[in-house]
Amino acid sequence: AQKITQTQPGMFVQEKEAVTLDCTYDTSDPSYGLFWYKQPSSGEMIFLIYQGSYDQQNATEGRYSLNFQKARKSANLVISASQLGDSAMYFCAMREGIQGAQKLVFGQGTRLTINP
Amino acid sequence: NAGVMQNPRHLVRRRGQEARLRCSPMKGHSHVYWYRQLPEEGLKFMVYLQKENIIDESGMPKERFSAEFPKEGPSILRIQQVVRGDSAAYFCASSPVPLAARSNEQFFGPGTRLTVL
Repeated sequence: AQKITQTQPGMFVQEKEAVTLDCTYDTSDPSYGLFWYKQPSSGEMIFLIYQGSYDQQNATEGRYSLNFQKARKSANLVISASQLGDSAMYFCAMREGIQGAQKLVFGQGTRLTINP
Repeated sequence: NAGVMQNPRHLVRRRGQEARLRCSPMKGHSHVYWYRQLPEEGLKFMVYLQKENIIDESGMPKERFSAEFPKEGPSILRIQQVVRGDSAAYFCASSPVPLAARSNEQFFGPGTRLTVL
């Protein structure tokens, strides 16, 4: 079964608009972490934001925020005031457990294109 | 403080040759993870190593692939007798001591793009 689902293969947004990238996850472990990474055309993986399952507040990092809805098992990434440089692939990932299972499970990604 | 280093960045091999990919974790990080990204897909976990130990190799193909993280030197992902299907980007990530769920410290290297002709 798919553990991380990103339902938007591609998104097109006008510059300066806000954009929401969807991510739903599936786990029975009460302790987990959720990550978003950006992969520009150059190929590197850039860490954007992290949300722990026990965190009470939604994570924010500059223009990035994570809309964490635990009951719905969703962890959508919100980018405010989009810029041309935001055009990239975006991956949602999950780490399960406190110890031992240190690996990340990734979704298929969403290709975001910002139009001028 | 240098980030995770991977070399080479690009590697071309002919079918049947061996590929060796190197990863130097961030300073102070003793845990290394290898992931593979096929074209147009997300990253898939391969193996998790600590110094001199393989902790989780559940994502490694049963044949031709091996990984090590010696006491001294970088972690090595080795692919023997490469085939065209091995063409992919291989990413290494590192983290410090085992993490609690509240931590976010797993940082990726730039990747090695392997092309098998």
